[in-house]
Amino acid sequence: SYELTQPPSVSVSPGQTARITCSGDALPNLYTHWYQQKPGQAPILVIYKDTERPSGIPARFSGSSSGTTVTLTISGVQAEDEADYYCQSTDTSGTNFWVFGGGTKLTVL
Amino acid sequence: EVQLVESGGGLVKPGGSLRLSCAASGFIFTTYTINWVRRAPGKGLEWVSSISSSSRHIYYADSVKGRFTISRDNAKSSLYLQMNSLRAEDTAVYYCARERNDSSGYYEGFDYWGQGTLVTVSS
Repeated sequence: SYELTQPPSVSVSPGQTARITCSGDALPNLYTHWYQQKPGQAPILVIYKDTERPSGIPARFSGSSSGTTVTLTISGVQAEDEADYYCQSTDTSGTNFWVFGGGTKLTVL
Repeated sequence: EVQLVESGGGLVKPGGSLRLSCAASGFIFTTYTINWVRRAPGKGLEWVSSISSSSRHIYYADSVKGRFTISRDNAKSSLYLQMNSLRAEDTAVYYCARERNDSSGYYEGFDYWGQGTLVTVSS
């Protein structure tokens, strides 16, 4: 089945820039979406269609795409950004419809 | 205000059945595809199933195909997940999530999620 690969963890100090990557062979041809999930809470959509930011999401969240890798960038990281982050795309293998990356734990030092 | 509220979770023995519900409000339910997504303890998000607005298009993850059935009642603005032959690995918090699409039909992700309902499969 199709897989999206994320680093298990990323650590940054407050005020620094965090970059979380998501890799997949079919990503050049597909849109990717990003979610933030804090403990005990439902996921929140923070970036859709690679680069678009939903209303209400702070401008420090941005997305980019290059080849088989998409990147979620959080500029000026704040303590409240500590969470799990997941990328999502459609499954090109035909076995499923949607697929999530394995998730990245962002730690704010 | 858009709201999705799941219910029906609980403790069930392996091989047992459970039916989850998701009550929607604050938007025109009949125009949206809705999904079930789960998160097992210590694991990441896993997409489970999807049903289009008219129920015409239904999809399942390989891990639940043949055991789970998704359905909806547009008159009641409700979504359901019938789970049979449950296994320990089905233990998870189950979320319903609204799928958003742009005017050209491109997917824009899941823009609203419920708070989830916990399903525990254990003897």
